[in-house]
Amino acid sequence: AQSVTQPDIHITVSEGASLELRCNYSYGATPYLFWYVQSPGQGLQLLLKYFSGDTLVQGIKGFEAEFKRSQSSFNLRKPSVHWSDAAEYFCAVLPMEYGNKLVFGAGTILRVKS
Amino acid sequence: EPEVTQTPSHQVTQMGQEVILRCVPISNHLYFYWYRQILGQKVEFLVSFYNNEISEKSEIFDDQFSVERPDGSNFTLKIRSTKLEDSAMYFCASSELEGNEQYFGPGTRLTVT
Repeated sequence: AQSVTQPDIHITVSEGASLELRCNYSYGATPYLFWYVQSPGQGLQLLLKYFSGDTLVQGIKGFEAEFKRSQSSFNLRKPSVHWSDAAEYFCAVLPMEYGNKLVFGAGTILRVKS
Repeated sequence: EPEVTQTPSHQVTQMGQEVILRCVPISNHLYFYWYRQILGQKVEFLVSFYNNEISEKSEIFDDQFSVERPDGSNFTLKIRSTKLEDSAMYFCASSELEGNEQYFGPGTRLTVT
């Protein structure tokens, strides 16, 4: 079945440490891929997107993500986490052959310890 | 920077009442969406809207739900007779073109008692 999987429900990292949040999808063709961040009480903010081309994409707030077709993955990374990065992160895909709706993963809650 | 806005931020209503959630999409965007997030669950697609008509809807979007673009700026979601299970955060989103990134509003938390 078509799905988006974020295997980590919670992740805790120390401030200044590196971060990688995992995302895998299962769709026949490569969908468009996105990462969104949701701070407590806030809406969903777009961090970055991948449509085609260079498989390493840069986003806002120092985040980047790498698309790996062979692994059907689109993992989010940040080299040095700041306390303000504590939030919930959602991977989302736009499987174009299934219409114009975003399909979200379950989210990963990031906690940053000082 | 243009952004999607939503009102109200929080709505409390009694079961069986009608509610209207309002959204102002980004002005040059042509595609509009509603999503919802029940507490502790995934963000789910409800409906997409283009050229004054529904372009796609999920199985959640039954006859109790309707959407409308009453004027050139607002986009509304109406729930005709609310149920307890409609309690959720409702997000409006818009995109410039089909397949483009979608920008989300801050959400309306709907509580049905």
